[in-house]
Amino acid sequence: SYDLTQSSSVAVSPGQTATIPCSGDKLGGTYTAWYQQKPGQSPVLIIYQNNRRPSGIPERFSASSSGTTVTLTISGAQAVDEADYYCQAWDTDTYVFGTGTRLTVL
Amino acid sequence: QVQLVESGGGLVTPGGSLRLSCSGFGFTFSDYYMSWVRQAPGKGLEWVAFITPGSTVTYYADSVKGRFAVSRDNSRNSLLLQMDSLRVDDTADYFCAGAAKETYWHFDLWGRGTLVSVSS
Repeated sequence: SYDLTQSSSVAVSPGQTATIPCSGDKLGGTYTAWYQQKPGQSPVLIIYQNNRRPSGIPERFSASSSGTTVTLTISGAQAVDEADYYCQAWDTDTYVFGTGTRLTVL
Repeated sequence: QVQLVESGGGLVTPGGSLRLSCSGFGFTFSDYYMSWVRQAPGKGLEWVAFITPGSTVTYYADSVKGRFAVSRDNSRNSLLLQMDSLRVDDTADYFCAGAAKETYWHFDLWGRGTLVSVSS
């Protein structure tokens, strides 16, 4: 298995664009997913297969990839987007989660 | 309504055992690869164990290998996690999570979690 590294926190003002990077040696060759987790709640899938959104997830959530880094972008962040965000990948026989990023919208 | 519901958490002393259950509702349980994912207090997500729809293959995180065992009963739409030789650092919320057969590399479904506390 391997590690997925995320910055511990990101802060933006309402309406600004938030970018949350996730880096890992094997990310260039595997699908990546993103989850949002609010305090006291279970994670929710917001991005899968690199840049696809499940039904019900707002269009302001998107993701991109460059080399061994994938980035979650929240365009026009809202107060309701305050949460922890985790990237995740599959490697042969293991699910790997990123270290998590706390997004503050203030 | 599609949901996963965990049960069986509680307080246990180090070296003890506990069995967690997860029941699936509102979807075809046998179409999903199932996993357990845990989250220690104030920490991030850690995948723990995985089982294929037909129970033919199981995988475990190194941190629990040899101590935990995952199983399922599709006739009862249930997933189990037998946890033995529990340690203090096994303390966490334990979520069951489902990944559809066609896209098993991410989790579409999550339960609300059950808390396991290991303490003397």
